[in-house]
Amino acid sequence: AQKITQTQPGMFVQEKEAVTLDCTYDTSDPSYGLFWYKQPSSGEMIFLIYQGSYDQQNATEGRYSLNFQKARKSANLVISASQLGDSAMYFCAMREGMTGGFKTIFGAGTRLFVKA
Amino acid sequence: SQTIHQWPATLVQPVGSPLSLECTVEGTSNPNLYWYRQAAGRGLQLLFYSVGIGQISSEVPQNLSASRPQDRQFILSSKKLLLSDSGFYLCAWSVGGRSNQPQHFGDGTRLSIL
Repeated sequence: AQKITQTQPGMFVQEKEAVTLDCTYDTSDPSYGLFWYKQPSSGEMIFLIYQGSYDQQNATEGRYSLNFQKARKSANLVISASQLGDSAMYFCAMREGMTGGFKTIFGAGTRLFVKA
Repeated sequence: SQTIHQWPATLVQPVGSPLSLECTVEGTSNPNLYWYRQAAGRGLQLLFYSVGIGQISSEVPQNLSASRPQDRQFILSSKKLLLSDSGFYLCAWSVGGRSNQPQHFGDGTRLSIL
């Protein structure tokens, strides 16, 4: 069965520094996608970055990059040059493409606090 | 462009009352549709998802049900609400047939059961 694990309930980072948010997953489907979302205190869900299981390179989107280690089944989010506005909940999600019927499950989330 | 509408934004219901939350998507055809519930400060629990009209997959056995009467309409229902049904309900859609496309979420419904 699919499973997503985020082991860091909360993280602190100094403004302008980089931070890594951990995510590990478990699936037997060779085709899957990994997503990261940001949820500010307002409650909206904002898509940040995507990594496909067959992608050879790590995904990057502006200050966000995904450290994808397929053999270890990890997909950590790296935020560079943290800003105060990055303070939010961050969720890792996985979708199985072939057998999952587009079912998408989420991890428990990590709350990030950026300090001035 | 595509938009997703979810209503109501907040709802206060007594225990044992029925529930109907509606979600509609505009600007796309045959989307994948999802209902999630989020407890305060917690992750998203997948409740239902649908890849087409009348096709509903249930993830969590409970007193909730979902229906997709039209291609871009997804409804979450209950005949009798429980206290444990309180939470933040989010509807989402993604491009049908494409596993590499992100989900787009509605603004959510905060449901309080008294």
